[in-house]
Amino acid sequence: DGGITQSPKYLFRKEGQNVTLSCEQNLNHDAMYWYRQDPGQGLRLIYYSQIVNDFQKGDIAEGYSVSREKKESFPLTVTSAQKNPTAFYLCASRQGMNTGELFFGEGSRLTVL
Amino acid sequence: GENVEQHPSTLSVQEGDSAVIKCTYSDSASNYFPWYKQELGKGPQLIIDIRSNVGEKKDQRIAVTLNKTAKHFSLHITETQPEDSAVYFCAGPGGTSYGKLTFGQGTILTVHP
Repeated sequence: DGGITQSPKYLFRKEGQNVTLSCEQNLNHDAMYWYRQDPGQGLRLIYYSQIVNDFQKGDIAEGYSVSREKKESFPLTVTSAQKNPTAFYLCASRQGMNTGELFFGEGSRLTVL
Repeated sequence: GENVEQHPSTLSVQEGDSAVIKCTYSDSASNYFPWYKQELGKGPQLIIDIRSNVGEKKDQRIAVTLNKTAKHFSLHITETQPEDSAVYFCAGPGGTSYGKLTFGQGTILTVHP
Protein backbone atom coordinates (compact mmCIF):
# COMPACT_ATOMS: atom_id res chain seq x y z
CA ASP A 1 0.00 0.00 0.00
CA GLY A 2 1.13 3.55 -0.68
CA GLY A 3 1.85 5.77 2.26
CA ILE A 4 4.31 7.60 4.45
CA THR A 5 6.59 5.74 6.83
CA GLN A 6 8.22 7.48 9.76
CA SER A 7 10.85 5.91 11.97
CA PRO A 8 11.54 5.44 14.73
CA LYS A 9 8.13 5.72 16.39
CA TYR A 10 9.71 6.47 19.77
CA LEU A 11 13.15 7.92 20.39
CA PHE A 12 15.02 8.96 23.49
CA ARG A 13 18.10 11.11 23.41
CA LYS A 14 20.37 12.81 25.86
CA GLU A 15 20.84 16.55 25.88
CA GLY A 16 23.54 17.69 23.49
CA GLN A 17 23.01 14.89 21.00
CA ASN A 18 21.77 15.26 17.45
CA VAL A 19 19.10 12.85 16.27
CA THR A 20 17.71 12.14 12.79
CA LEU A 21 14.09 11.19 12.12
CA SER A 22 13.36 9.27 8.96
CA CYS A 23 10.48 9.94 6.57
CA GLU A 24 9.90 7.88 3.43
CA GLN A 25 6.95 8.07 1.03
CA ASN A 26 6.02 5.87 -1.92
CA LEU A 27 3.20 8.09 -3.17
CA ASN A 28 5.36 9.74 -5.81
CA HIS A 29 4.63 13.11 -4.21
CA ASP A 30 6.79 16.13 -5.00
CA ALA A 31 6.14 18.13 -1.82
CA MET A 32 7.12 16.98 1.66
CA TYR A 33 6.76 18.64 5.06
CA TRP A 34 7.81 18.34 8.67
CA TYR A 35 5.50 19.49 11.47
CA ARG A 36 5.98 19.60 15.19
CA GLN A 37 3.03 18.92 17.49
CA ASP A 38 2.86 20.09 21.09
CA PRO A 39 -0.20 19.86 23.36
CA GLY A 40 -2.58 22.77 22.82
CA GLN A 41 -0.55 24.30 20.00
CA GLY A 42 -1.70 22.50 16.90
CA LEU A 43 0.83 21.64 14.23
CA ARG A 44 3.69 24.00 13.48
CA LEU A 45 5.67 23.85 10.25
CA ILE A 46 9.41 23.20 10.61
CA TYR A 47 10.62 22.72 7.03
CA TYR A 48 9.13 21.91 3.67
CA SER A 49 10.40 20.82 0.29
CA GLN A 50 8.68 21.36 -3.03
CA ILE A 51 11.08 19.30 -5.09
CA VAL A 52 14.25 17.25 -4.85
CA ASN A 53 17.35 19.18 -3.76
CA ASP A 54 15.26 22.13 -2.60
CA PHE A 55 13.80 22.95 0.82
CA GLN A 56 12.56 26.00 2.69
CA LYS A 57 12.31 27.01 6.33
CA GLY A 58 8.92 26.95 7.96
CA ASP A 59 7.80 28.87 11.01
CA ILE A 60 10.02 27.15 13.59
CA ALA A 61 13.16 26.01 11.72
CA GLU A 62 15.73 27.04 14.33
CA GLY A 63 17.61 24.04 15.69
CA TYR A 64 16.51 21.74 12.87
CA SER A 65 17.98 20.70 9.53
CA VAL A 66 16.73 18.67 6.58
CA SER A 67 17.88 17.24 3.27
CA ARG A 68 16.03 16.15 0.14
CA GLU A 69 18.44 14.09 -1.93
CA LYS A 70 15.74 11.71 -3.15
CA LYS A 71 12.11 12.32 -4.03
CA GLU A 72 10.86 9.70 -1.60
CA SER A 73 12.96 10.71 1.41
CA PHE A 74 12.96 13.81 3.65
CA PRO A 75 14.89 13.19 6.88
CA LEU A 76 14.79 15.69 9.74
CA THR A 77 17.74 16.23 12.08
CA VAL A 78 17.01 17.67 15.50
CA THR A 79 20.25 19.31 16.55
CA SER A 80 21.58 20.12 19.99
CA ALA A 81 20.76 23.76 19.22
CA GLN A 82 17.03 23.04 19.50
CA LYS A 83 16.22 24.27 23.00
CA ASN A 84 13.04 22.29 23.60
CA PRO A 85 13.13 19.24 21.32
CA THR A 86 10.76 16.95 23.22
CA ALA A 87 7.70 16.73 20.97
CA PHE A 88 5.71 14.65 18.49
CA TYR A 89 7.06 15.06 14.95
CA LEU A 90 4.88 14.52 11.90
CA CYS A 91 6.02 14.14 8.32
CA ALA A 92 3.59 14.80 5.49
CA SER A 93 3.54 14.79 1.72
CA ARG A 94 1.44 16.14 -1.06
CA GLN A 95 1.28 15.66 -4.82
CA GLY A 96 2.42 19.23 -5.37
CA MET A 97 2.80 22.41 -3.36
CA ASN A 98 -0.71 23.54 -4.25
CA THR A 99 -2.24 20.26 -5.33
CA GLY A 100 -3.98 17.45 -3.56
CA GLU A 101 -4.56 16.22 -0.08
CA LEU A 102 -1.88 16.44 2.59
CA PHE A 103 -1.04 12.91 3.79
CA PHE A 104 0.60 12.39 7.19
CA GLY A 105 2.79 9.67 8.58
CA GLU A 106 2.16 8.07 11.97
CA GLY A 107 4.62 10.36 13.72
CA SER A 108 7.78 10.05 15.81
CA ARG A 109 7.81 10.90 19.49
CA LEU A 110 11.13 12.32 20.64
CA THR A 111 11.94 12.60 24.33
CA VAL A 112 15.06 14.33 25.56
CA LEU A 113 16.28 13.01 28.89
CA GLY B 1 1.16 35.23 7.86
CA GLU B 2 -2.13 33.45 8.45
CA ASN B 3 -3.47 33.10 11.98
CA VAL B 4 -6.06 30.40 12.66
CA GLU B 5 -7.97 30.28 15.95
CA GLN B 6 -9.96 27.19 16.85
CA HIS B 7 -12.67 26.77 19.51
CA PRO B 8 -13.50 25.02 21.71
CA SER B 9 -10.34 23.26 22.87
CA THR B 10 -12.40 20.41 24.33
CA LEU B 11 -15.93 19.27 23.52
CA SER B 12 -17.90 16.54 25.23
CA VAL B 13 -21.21 15.26 23.81
CA GLN B 14 -23.57 12.35 24.21
CA GLU B 15 -23.81 9.77 21.46
CA GLY B 16 -26.35 10.91 18.89
CA ASP B 17 -25.91 14.62 19.61
CA SER B 18 -24.35 17.08 17.19
CA ALA B 19 -20.91 18.63 17.59
CA VAL B 20 -19.74 21.94 16.17
CA ILE B 21 -16.17 23.22 16.02
CA LYS B 22 -15.41 26.73 14.81
CA CYS B 23 -12.31 28.35 13.37
CA THR B 24 -11.54 31.92 12.49
CA TYR B 25 -8.80 33.08 10.17
CA SER B 26 -7.04 36.35 9.53
CA ASP B 27 -5.93 36.37 5.89
CA SER B 28 -8.80 37.45 3.64
CA ALA B 29 -6.94 35.93 0.66
CA SER B 30 -7.26 32.44 2.15
CA ASN B 31 -9.22 30.16 -0.15
CA TYR B 32 -8.78 26.58 1.05
CA PHE B 33 -9.93 25.21 4.41
CA PRO B 34 -9.37 21.55 5.32
CA TRP B 35 -10.36 19.68 8.46
CA TYR B 36 -8.26 16.83 9.87
CA LYS B 37 -9.06 14.11 12.38
CA GLN B 38 -6.28 12.68 14.54
CA GLU B 39 -6.81 9.49 16.49
CA LEU B 40 -4.62 8.66 19.46
CA GLY B 41 -1.02 7.90 18.48
CA LYS B 42 -1.64 8.43 14.77
CA GLY B 43 -1.10 11.11 12.18
CA PRO B 44 -3.96 13.43 11.15
CA GLN B 45 -6.23 12.40 8.28
CA LEU B 46 -8.21 14.71 6.03
CA ILE B 47 -11.95 14.30 6.59
CA ILE B 48 -13.38 17.18 4.59
CA ASP B 49 -12.27 20.40 2.93
CA ILE B 50 -13.87 23.42 1.37
CA ARG B 51 -12.78 26.04 -1.11
CA SER B 52 -13.84 29.65 -1.01
CA ASN B 53 -16.16 29.43 -4.00
CA VAL B 54 -18.73 27.45 -1.97
CA GLY B 55 -20.44 28.14 1.33
CA GLU B 56 -21.14 24.60 2.48
CA LYS B 57 -20.04 21.06 1.78
CA LYS B 58 -21.45 17.81 3.17
CA ASP B 59 -20.19 14.25 3.35
CA GLN B 60 -22.58 11.93 5.15
CA ARG B 61 -22.58 12.96 8.81
CA ILE B 62 -20.00 15.72 8.50
CA ALA B 63 -20.34 19.15 6.96
CA VAL B 64 -18.27 22.28 6.74
CA THR B 65 -19.63 25.80 6.38
CA LEU B 66 -17.67 28.86 5.35
CA ASN B 67 -18.47 32.52 5.99
CA LYS B 68 -15.93 34.57 4.07
CA THR B 69 -17.32 37.89 5.23
CA ALA B 70 -16.87 37.01 8.87
CA LYS B 71 -13.73 34.95 8.13
CA HIS B 72 -14.80 31.84 9.93
CA PHE B 73 -15.54 28.23 9.02
CA SER B 74 -17.09 25.45 11.05
CA LEU B 75 -17.15 21.66 11.20
CA HIS B 76 -20.50 20.05 11.97
CA ILE B 77 -20.80 16.40 12.97
CA THR B 78 -24.32 15.03 13.31
CA GLU B 79 -25.48 11.83 15.02
CA THR B 80 -22.14 11.50 16.77
CA GLN B 81 -20.76 8.05 17.55
CA PRO B 82 -18.05 6.97 20.02
CA GLU B 83 -15.66 6.40 17.11
CA ASP B 84 -15.89 10.11 16.34
CA SER B 85 -13.86 10.72 19.52
CA ALA B 86 -10.54 12.20 18.41
CA VAL B 87 -8.66 15.48 18.04
CA TYR B 88 -9.90 17.65 15.18
CA PHE B 89 -7.81 20.34 13.50
CA CYS B 90 -8.82 23.06 11.12
CA ALA B 91 -6.30 24.65 8.80
CA GLY B 92 -5.93 27.56 6.45
CA PRO B 93 -3.34 28.42 3.88
CA GLY B 94 -0.19 30.12 5.13
CA GLY B 95 -0.58 32.92 2.67
CA THR B 96 -1.85 32.39 -0.86
CA SER B 97 -0.25 28.98 -1.20
CA TYR B 98 -2.23 25.87 -0.36
CA GLY B 99 0.99 24.16 0.53
CA LYS B 100 1.92 25.98 3.73
CA LEU B 101 -1.06 25.16 5.89
CA THR B 102 -1.48 26.93 9.22
CA PHE B 103 -3.27 24.71 11.72
CA GLY B 104 -5.63 25.60 14.54
CA GLN B 105 -4.86 24.51 18.08
CA GLY B 106 -7.07 21.43 17.92
CA THR B 107 -10.31 20.31 19.58
CA ILE B 108 -10.49 17.16 21.69
CA LEU B 109 -13.92 15.67 20.98
CA THR B 110 -15.25 13.02 23.35
CA VAL B 111 -18.48 11.21 22.49
CA HIS B 112 -19.99 9.40 25.46
CA PRO B 113 -21.99 6.23 24.74
